[in-house]
Amino acid sequence: EAGVAQSPRYKIIEKRQSVAFWCNPISGHATLYWYQQILGQGPKLLIQFQNNGVVDDSQLPKDRFSAERLKGVDSTLKIQPAKLEDSAVYLCASSLARDSLSTYYEQYFGPGTRLTVT
Amino acid sequence: QQQVKQSPQSLIVQKGGISIINCAYENTAFDYFPWYQQFPGKGPALLIAIRPDVSEKKEGRFTISFNKSAKQFSLHIMDSQPGDSATYFCAASRMDSSYKLIFGSGTRLLVRP
Repeated sequence: EAGVAQSPRYKIIEKRQSVAFWCNPISGHATLYWYQQILGQGPKLLIQFQNNGVVDDSQLPKDRFSAERLKGVDSTLKIQPAKLEDSAVYLCASSLARDSLSTYYEQYFGPGTRLTVT
Repeated sequence: QQQVKQSPQSLIVQKGGISIINCAYENTAFDYFPWYQQFPGKGPALLIAIRPDVSEKKEGRFTISFNKSAKQFSLHIMDSQPGDSATYFCAASRMDSSYKLIFGSGTRLLVRP
């Protein structure tokens, strides 16, 4: 079974530029997550999709970050304009869609995209 | 109240020793507590997880101990091996919500040969 794919793996941009990250989840996983992992910290959820719909985007800085998941499969996360503090690893994860409040489906993480903003 | 505090920040253990990582939480609504292992250049991978209705869960050399009254849980790695050298994250979630995982800050474990 193929894992979560992300591209690019590395990106260096100057502040105020824009950047986009792409994620292809595991086949059949309806739920997709984007996390931001700053060096030395744990991942922080930015946005969660279930199929095409947004489940949670409470920690997404909406003035500069946007994400979409067209057709309920691939997803793109965009930053425009980037700030120095956006330097981090951006992780995509996916899981099966939950069918019960008592069941937890494991989140599978991709390798991440390391963004450096100079 | 959404935080999960993890300690120590780094840990060095000799091969064959026991590695212990601790986490504490405030939100009593959390009811799912996973541990993730992350190698450099890779995404986190689920190692072991526990629900608060049990006090301990063991899978191979990895054990979670859970203390509901103290709102603490810990990961014990028995017979630590150099291949266990990685960063470990504890996390917490509410099963009745969106599966949102709140991660600790991570512990960098080095197991010396």
